[in-house]
Amino acid sequence: DAKTTQPTSMDCAEGRAANLPCNHSTISGNEYVYWYRQIHSQGPQYIIHGLKNNETNEMASLIITEDRKSSTLILPHATLRDTAVYYCIGDSGNTPLVFGKGTRLSVIA
Amino acid sequence: NAGVTQTPKFQVLKTGQSMTLQCAQDMNHNSMYWYRQDPGMGLRLIYYSASEGTTDKGEVPNGYNVSRLNKREFSLRLESAAPSQTSVYFCASNSGWGYQPQHFGDGTRLSIL
Repeated sequence: DAKTTQPTSMDCAEGRAANLPCNHSTISGNEYVYWYRQIHSQGPQYIIHGLKNNETNEMASLIITEDRKSSTLILPHATLRDTAVYYCIGDSGNTPLVFGKGTRLSVIA
Repeated sequence: NAGVTQTPKFQVLKTGQSMTLQCAQDMNHNSMYWYRQDPGMGLRLIYYSASEGTTDKGEVPNGYNVSRLNKREFSLRLESAAPSQTSVYFCASNSGWGYQPQHFGDGTRLSIL
């Protein structure tokens, strides 16, 4: 699975959009980009995933660049409850996930 | 719908004691996983079971054994606990078919003195 690179931490004002970048320059053609988050040592929670098209669900939007070397997770209106560690992971579907250290997002009132 | 249930939630052991962490899922998933998470770190895979009757080592299997008891249950055993195994342990499951997200339990916080 592709190695991903994320910033260690980010801040976002409450009510604003949170844009979390992820670099996955070595991603292969059959690897999906997955995003999970972990709120205060709870179990990780699935957010969204995509292959090459942009995706949106009730939690977030995922924008994947055309060359698939990077992506951005967008939380459109961040709330204090979105404060968490966010993990970007490449998944080929037939090997276990590899979690890095993720990005610690702090939403500030 | 309970999802993935882990027991116990907290446990304190003495060095050398043994213990089994239990995990059960009610989503009819084929694949199950055990991770550990140390302070400030991401999750590291200990063992996984792609389907009932199979188990495979992950990144950090030393000091652990697993049993896929049936499709629902996947247990993790520490035969002789060591302080280095103090961690939070998470169990997860997914269908195992194609690209399906993993569902995680709430974790077991284990301290070994």
